[in-house]
Amino acid sequence: GNSVTQMEGPVTLSEEAFLTINCTYTATGYPSLFWYVQYPGEGLQLLLKATKADDKGSNKGFEATYRKETTSFHLEKGSVQVSDSAVYFCALMMAGDSNYQLIWGAGTKLIIKP
Amino acid sequence: SQTIHQWPATLVQPVGSPLSLECTVEGTSNPNLYWYRQAAGRGLQLLFYSVGIGQISSEVPQNLSASRPQDRQFILSSKKLLLSDSGFYLCACSLPRGAFFGQGTRLTVV
Repeated sequence: GNSVTQMEGPVTLSEEAFLTINCTYTATGYPSLFWYVQYPGEGLQLLLKATKADDKGSNKGFEATYRKETTSFHLEKGSVQVSDSAVYFCALMMAGDSNYQLIWGAGTKLIIKP
Repeated sequence: SQTIHQWPATLVQPVGSPLSLECTVEGTSNPNLYWYRQAAGRGLQLLFYSVGIGQISSEVPQNLSASRPQDRQFILSSKKLLLSDSGFYLCACSLPRGAFFGQGTRLTVV
């Protein structure tokens, strides 16, 4: 079946460090890929997405590139801030799914220390 | 753009009491709606989804139920809460461009 695997957290970094959160997927077709962010006590917010191979999604300094050959969608940021501390979820949506259902990774908690 | 309203934001209920959480959607019609639960420090567990009025699909058998009485209204209920029902409940609307979430309800069963 279709699935998403994320690196386990928590990931702890110092402010201004480079961030990578790994995400790989298994899918029988051609999914769209998403990153969501959840700040403490809040719902999830769409951070960025990519709909086809080699697309790069970007937002708020975060980037992720849809790599079909490695079935990956790793999240990166060049210089993290304390305010980036949150839980990050990778997800996929299969093309042709009329329910538009997202399949979620387990989430990765990111802690940024000043 | 779509907006998801959830209430209440927090709720403390005794074991054995009933539950009703409401979710309403603005800015889109005939949405696909979802209820998720998130235990502390854990990922998302899909509970129910609905593709239309009166249409409910259950993903996990438990003492919760869901109803969709109107196109943009999705309700999560229980007749008798258990301690294990504690968690963070999230309502979401799923569209081709992604899912959009409410702010969540923190339920504590005591």
